[in-house]
Amino acid sequence: QSALTQPASVSGSPGQSITISCTGTSSDVGAYNYVSWYQQYPGKAPKLMIYDVSNRPSGVSNRFSGSKSGNTASLTISGLQAEDEADYYCSSYTSSSTRVFGGGTKLTVL
Amino acid sequence: QVQLVDSGGGVVQPGRSLRLSCAASGFTFSTYGMHWVRQAPGKGLEWVALIWFDGSFKYYADSVEGRFTISRDNSKNTLYLQMNSLRAEDTAVYYCARETTVRYFFDCWGQGTLVTVSS
Repeated sequence: QSALTQPASVSGSPGQSITISCTGTSSDVGAYNYVSWYQQYPGKAPKLMIYDVSNRPSGVSNRFSGSKSGNTASLTISGLQAEDEADYYCSSYTSSSTRVFGGGTKLTVL
Repeated sequence: QVQLVDSGGGVVQPGRSLRLSCAASGFTFSTYGMHWVRQAPGKGLEWVALIWFDGSFKYYADSVEGRFTISRDNSKNTLYLQMNSLRAEDTAVYYCARETTVRYFFDCWGQGTLVTVSS
């Protein structure tokens, strides 16, 4: 049950686009289209942003998009806004029927 | 509205036990899988345990297997986490989270309850 690998931090200027990667194995990310992404502000509970690799829940901005290639999933945020500054976590279903999170990525909007 | 309220956290000595609760409202609790997810201070999210909608299957992270027990009472719309043999490394905010059956994502989270294991 090793954590998925995410970059510790990414940054971008308002209006730019950034991408956060999430690398797993053939037993989790690579095996299923069950990758989800969560946004977390300090001291708050996580919020679902993307599910099933690329689907957005109702109410989430279309500036957020997801994709996957092989064992690596990605979250892209376009048109960066100050309010996007937060921690982002990926999660995947695993072949053991458990779940696994990435280590988290701190997004800084410059 | 859909709501999960976590409770039961506190300060506990190493080796002792604690039981967390998660009260659900605003949805049909008995039709959803439920999880516990924790976050150590300044660290990332760690999945802890899952219980199926009817309690028939339970899964645990290796780090808590044999020490923690997840359970639910669908008549009380409440999820539990019994934590035994607590260690300093179990110190974290514990969140309950809802998962639609066979959908594999967490669409609703509790506010979290802090567990501190310290002598």
